[in-house]
Amino acid sequence: QVQLQQSGPRLVKASQTLSLTCDISGDSVSSSSAAWHWIRQSPSRGLEWLGRTYFRSGWFDNYALSVKSRITINPDTARNQFSLQLTSVTPEDTAVYYCARDLDLGFDSWGQGTLVTVSS
Amino acid sequence: QSVLTQPPSVSGAPGQRVTISCTGSSSNIGAGHYVHWYQQLPGTAPKLLIYAYTNRPSGVPDRFSGSQSGTTASLAITGLQAEDEAHYYCQSYDGSLSANWVFGGGTKLTVL
Repeated sequence: QVQLQQSGPRLVKASQTLSLTCDISGDSVSSSSAAWHWIRQSPSRGLEWLGRTYFRSGWFDNYALSVKSRITINPDTARNQFSLQLTSVTPEDTAVYYCARDLDLGFDSWGQGTLVTVSS
Repeated sequence: QSVLTQPPSVSGAPGQRVTISCTGSSSNIGAGHYVHWYQQLPGTAPKLLIYAYTNRPSGVPDRFSGSQSGTTASLAITGLQAEDEAHYYCQSYDGSLSANWVFGGGTKLTVL
């Protein structure tokens, strides 16, 4: 049973960097059959996919074009976790952020969600 | 505006059947990309309800079923129960957009 546990600041000032971490138990960030995603949810934008990292004989990532210039998702194999960094945030980035696992058959495991508020 | 279109709300009485549609296009559902459905209760993360159009993860009651035809997928819930009141989201992959994993705008199910 995989579990994802999120951590990170809930309040970020505008123009600064949002950083969240997702700890994985019951699976490995280096799994060759999983991908690890960040998704956010807000009343104005609904559920919005942000990006993913995955290992297939090497590390790969993909990002949504809407945030591509500001986002980095990094795996940490030593800690079995992955992280989200979103730079130059604005109040529009205020949302509940989720990490999730994908086995090519939907997002089958989700973190608990972190409401991140960007203050102006 | 979401890439996948869902009705904002549906309702039904206990014991009844409701369906929720999810309309996409030739670059997502119509291209043969899987559709998945999620149930979200207030204050919680979405939960995978149906994957790959029609399959239920372990523990999901068989009152929930999925189907797909052309560019539209549907979620059906039979024998409505009060605990089914939640938001439901469809999700697929889109090969033409910058955001490859796309969601519907969500449907609020009210059990009368």
